[in-house]
Amino acid sequence: DVKVTQSSRYLVKRTGEKVFLECVQDMDHENMFWYRQDPGLGLRLIYFSYDVKMKEKGDIPEGYSVSREKKERFSLILESASTNQTSMYLCASSFKGLSSYEQYFGPGTRLTVT
Amino acid sequence: AQKVTQAQTEISVVEKEDVTLDCVYETRDTTYYLFWYKQPPSGELVFLIRRNSFDEQNEISGRYSWNFQKSTSSFNFTITASQVVDSAVYFCALSTRTGTASKLTFGTGTRLQVTL
Repeated sequence: DVKVTQSSRYLVKRTGEKVFLECVQDMDHENMFWYRQDPGLGLRLIYFSYDVKMKEKGDIPEGYSVSREKKERFSLILESASTNQTSMYLCASSFKGLSSYEQYFGPGTRLTVT
Repeated sequence: AQKVTQAQTEISVVEKEDVTLDCVYETRDTTYYLFWYKQPPSGELVFLIRRNSFDEQNEISGRYSWNFQKSTSSFNFTITASQVVDSAVYFCALSTRTGTASKLTFGTGTRLQVTL
C-alpha cells in the first residue's frame, strides 16, 4: 500500500513566521508534488520535484519554496507566512515515466495563519 | 492550456438513487490522461480511475462506471444505487506530459451528499 504522510494535520502560525510542511512517501516514487486546496478553486499546484534536489514551479509558486534532499521527503517552506496562505496543503507522489501515472495523496495539513 | 470544468458544485440524492457527475476538459494535446479522485470527509484524496486518450471504452467497477467521449471532451462518472458512504467531494483531473513530469490539472470538484 502506498503511503504518503504529512507532518501535521493542523497547524496555526502567526503572520511573518517561517513555516515548514513535511511530506514523506514510502513507495520509492520519483515525483513529488505540493498542492493547496481552497473552496471553489479545487487543487492548485505549487511546486513539484522529479528527482532529488530537482524542482519546478507549479501554477502558484509565489511565497513558497521547496526542498528535496532525499528521495522520500519533500518539504514546502513558507518563508514569511501571510494570512492569504491559510489553506489546506496536500502532498502527493507518483512514479515517473513516459506515461502519466496516478498520484497518491497524503491526508493534508490545514494551515491557519493569524 | 489545460482546463477541467465540473459544473455541478453540489448534488444531493437519496440513497439508492443513481447519480452522474459531469466532467468536461480542454486540451490541445493528442495524448493525455483523465482521472477521477474521491475526497471523503477525512480529507485524503483517493484515486479511482485513470483513462488515456486513446482508450474510449467505458469502464465499470462495481457500482461505479465511467463514460469517456472524446467527441464532447467529457469524462463522466456515474454511481449506481448510491450509498451514504459515497458522500464526498469528487474531483476530475487532466494530465498531459510537459517537460520533466506529468502534472495534474484539477476541476473544482463536485460535492455529493447521499442521505437516507
